[in-house]
Amino acid sequence: DTGVSQNPRHKITKRGQNVTFRCDPISEHNRLYWYRQTLGQGPEFLTYFQNEAQLEKSRLLSDRFSAERPKGSFSTLEIQRTEQGDSAMYLCASSRRDSLLGTDTQYFGPGTRLTVL
Amino acid sequence: DQQVKQNSPSLSVQEGRISILNCDYTNSMFDYFLWYKKYPAEGPTFLISISSIKDKNEDGRFTVFLNKSAKHLSLHIVPSQPGDSAVYFCAASYGQNFVFGPGTRLSVLP
Repeated sequence: DTGVSQNPRHKITKRGQNVTFRCDPISEHNRLYWYRQTLGQGPEFLTYFQNEAQLEKSRLLSDRFSAERPKGSFSTLEIQRTEQGDSAMYLCASSRRDSLLGTDTQYFGPGTRLTVL
Repeated sequence: DQQVKQNSPSLSVQEGRISILNCDYTNSMFDYFLWYKKYPAEGPTFLISISSIKDKNEDGRFTVFLNKSAKHLSLHIVPSQPGDSAVYFCAASYGQNFVFGPGTRLSVLP
């Protein structure tokens, strides 16, 4: 299967602990996105990488959040000193711009569901 | 500031009939629009898209219509099947900026 994969699928942690999630994008995709989704809402943009460069960060991404994509392939999202409000589904998506059509279609992974107790 | 709106949180349709899901946007910079389907405990799955240079795109049972002057798009599913029951998200983009609507839960009744 060559889709986007995310690990772990579920994470339960105590408030104040650090957590790290991993995303492996579709191999030929150079763009990678992180989103957060809570109940009843659509995915909310967190950050975006083109290759290894982090080009954009949402103001939702507080200083407790950090994301990396060291070799332009897989990416990690770390949350330090987790809070109960961080409980959500964290989604990763990847894409490659269609130079002919000028469009960019994102393909999502299954998500990591974080529960902070 | 909700740039992409899906004003119907839920929709119920009889199997075999047409499902119409609506989406409105406010930012005229958006030039590419997508629909995603999401089952519980899974990530959104890409369904169909449309560029702003078109007003209709069709793929099997799914058709997306775009009315740029009204800043409105809709997804038509004909005929609806029970397996179509899911949450449908509309997304609008320009460049690498993507904004998703809150979703509409579609229930197709057998």
